[in-house]
Amino acid sequence: SQQGEEDPQALSIQEGENATMNCSYKTSINNLQWYRQNSGRGLVHLILIRSNEREKHSGRLRVTLDTSKKSSSLLITASRAADTASYFCATVWGGSNYKLTFGKGTLLTVNP
Amino acid sequence: NAGVTQTPKFQVLKTGQSMTLQCAQDMNHNSMYWYRQDPGMGLRLIYYSASEGTTDKGEVPNGYNVSRLNKREFSLRLESAAPSQTSVYFCASSEVRKTVSYNEQFFGPGTRLTVL
Repeated sequence: SQQGEEDPQALSIQEGENATMNCSYKTSINNLQWYRQNSGRGLVHLILIRSNEREKHSGRLRVTLDTSKKSSSLLITASRAADTASYFCATVWGGSNYKLTFGKGTLLTVNP
Repeated sequence: NAGVTQTPKFQVLKTGQSMTLQCAQDMNHNSMYWYRQDPGMGLRLIYYSASEGTTDKGEVPNGYNVSRLNKREFSLRLESAAPSQTSVYFCASSEVRKTVSYNEQFFGPGTRLTVL
C-alpha cells in the first residue's frame, strides 16, 4: 500500500511550543499534502509540496520533503490551543492525478 | 459559497436497509470523491468521479454504488447496509487537470452512519 504513515500517532504540547509531525510513504510521489481535521469536522487542506521541492512555508507552517528518504515533516511554530486537531498527510502518486492516499493521522493536543 | 455540503448529518439504519448519501459542491469542480473514515484507519477512498459522466472504484468499493448526477452532485448508495459499514462518510471535490497534479481537495462536514 502507498498509504503514508504519520509519526507520532499522538502529540501533546504546551501553548507556544513547536509541534513536529512526520510522514513516511512507500513509492515515488507527484506531490504530498497536509490536512487538518478538527474533532467532528471535515478535513481542511493546509499545504502542498511538490516532489521537486524540499521546503515550503505558509504562515506558522513549515513543510519539508525528503524524497530520498520518502518522508515529510510538518512543523507548526508557536502553537495555539486552536491548533488542537488531527493532522494527515496525503500523497498523489502514480499515473492518477485524481486520487489521494491518506495516512492514519497524528492527534495534536495543545494545552493552554 | 457553501463549498461541499452533505446530507444527512446523522443516520441510523438496520442491517439490510438501503439509503443514499447526498453530496453537492458549488465550486464548479470537475472531480468528486467519497471516503469513509474509521477509528485509527485514516480516510479510505470508496469511489471517485474524475469528471461528469465517469465513476471509478477506489480502495474499498464493495457494498456501495455511486451516481454522478451532474457536475455538482455525487451520491453514494448503500443497497443493503451491514454493520461493517458503520463509519463516518466524507464527500470531497477538487479541480484536477491532467497536466497538473495538485488535487487539493475540499471536504464536506461528513455523515455519521450507524448500522445496527
